[in-house]
Amino acid sequence: DQQVKQNSPSLSVQEGRISILNCDYTNSMFDYFLWYKKYPAEGPTFLISISSIKDKNEDGRFTVFLNKSAKHLSLHIVPSQPGDSAVYFCGSQGGSEKLVFGKGTKLTVNP
Amino acid sequence: KAGVTQTPRYLIKTRGQQVTLSCSPISGHRSVSWYQQTPGQGLQFLFEYFSETQRNKGNFPGRFSGRQFSNSRSEMNVSTLELGDSALYLCASSTGQEQYFGPGTRLTVT
Repeated sequence: DQQVKQNSPSLSVQEGRISILNCDYTNSMFDYFLWYKKYPAEGPTFLISISSIKDKNEDGRFTVFLNKSAKHLSLHIVPSQPGDSAVYFCGSQGGSEKLVFGKGTKLTVNP
Repeated sequence: KAGVTQTPRYLIKTRGQQVTLSCSPISGHRSVSWYQQTPGQGLQFLFEYFSETQRNKGNFPGRFSGRQFSNSRSEMNVSTLELGDSALYLCASSTGQEQYFGPGTRLTVT
């Protein structure tokens, strides 16, 4: 049973436009959410996080939105740059539970 | 501060063999987690160690085991390798909720 779902395996956008990556979770105990970015041949790197007491967190070009009632979060990248091309993993955690990741979304930003 | 290091970076084994992967966390980090990454399944949690004790375990068979030493370094062992064990194995260390990943060990089982 997948507790964290990233239903889009891939996404392609034009440079300068907005990239929106989506993530759904099922476990209502999750109260902390993270996004990681992964380039080929490298380990994932932390991008941005949000706790359940907030509905938005912004860091430069990256904004994460959390809709607790829908158990949905999204990552917005504005403006998208070719260097943002990577696989993005959504992770969720609650209490002493382990961090659970989605299967990832491969983002391609075309120049 | 040095990042998380994993050795070896690449490994080729045959079915039935066993393998041991090593992870050195960031200095001061006491929690080490292991993940398996495959194209079809994404990042799947294997186990977490904290102060030499396994704190959490994912849904993997008993062929997958691990341990942590007093200096927080961790090893992961897979016995009786199967073709489906071919994957990128990632180690992450943390002091809190944010995890710092190593580059991974690419295991190929033939």
